[in-house]
Amino acid sequence: GDSVTQMEGPVTLSEEAFLTINCTYTATGYPSLFWYVQYPGEGLQLLLKATKADDKGSNKGFEATYRKETTSFHLEKGSVQVSDSAVYFCALRVLNSGYSTLTFGKGTMLLVSP
Amino acid sequence: DSGVTQTPKHLITATGQRVTLRCSPRSGDLSVYWYQQSLDQGLQFLIQYYNGEERAKGNILERFSAQQFPDLHSELNLSSLELGDSALYFCASSSGLLNTGELFFGEGSRLTVL
Repeated sequence: GDSVTQMEGPVTLSEEAFLTINCTYTATGYPSLFWYVQYPGEGLQLLLKATKADDKGSNKGFEATYRKETTSFHLEKGSVQVSDSAVYFCALRVLNSGYSTLTFGKGTMLLVSP
Repeated sequence: DSGVTQTPKHLITATGQRVTLRCSPRSGDLSVYWYQQSLDQGLQFLIQYYNGEERAKGNILERFSAQQFPDLHSELNLSSLELGDSALYFCASSSGLLNTGELFFGEGSRLTVL
């Protein structure tokens, strides 16, 4: 079945450090890929997405490129801030006959210290 | 604020009991999704409804059931509760059948089973 594997956290960084959170996927069809973010005490919200191979999603300084050859969608940011501390979820969507659902990874907690 | 409302925010109950979680989707959204978030399993898809009809089922136990009413709000019923059912239950909504992949999440209902 479809699945998403993320690096385990927590990832602990100092402010202005470079961030990479690894994500790889397994899917039978041609998935769209997403990163969602969950801030403390809140629900998940969409951060960025890519719908086909070689697409790059970007938002709020975060980027991720859809790599079909390595089945990966790693999240990067050049300079993290304390306000980026949150849990990050990689997800995929595969269209099935008449419906689609999102399959999420287990999440990676990011802690940024001043 | 995502526009998705979940009640109650917190719920403490005993093993063997039954609880109902309620979700009001964003205005105009026809699809409602339920997810269970626990530390060991991550974010697990339970069930999806679209305009009152069940469209997709995930890892939902037989002790759990859900429905979507004509006004589009949804309820998740959990019965014969066990300690392992303690988790954060999220409701999410989307306008259609997840064509864009963007889900709007509520803040969750935290269930503690003692």
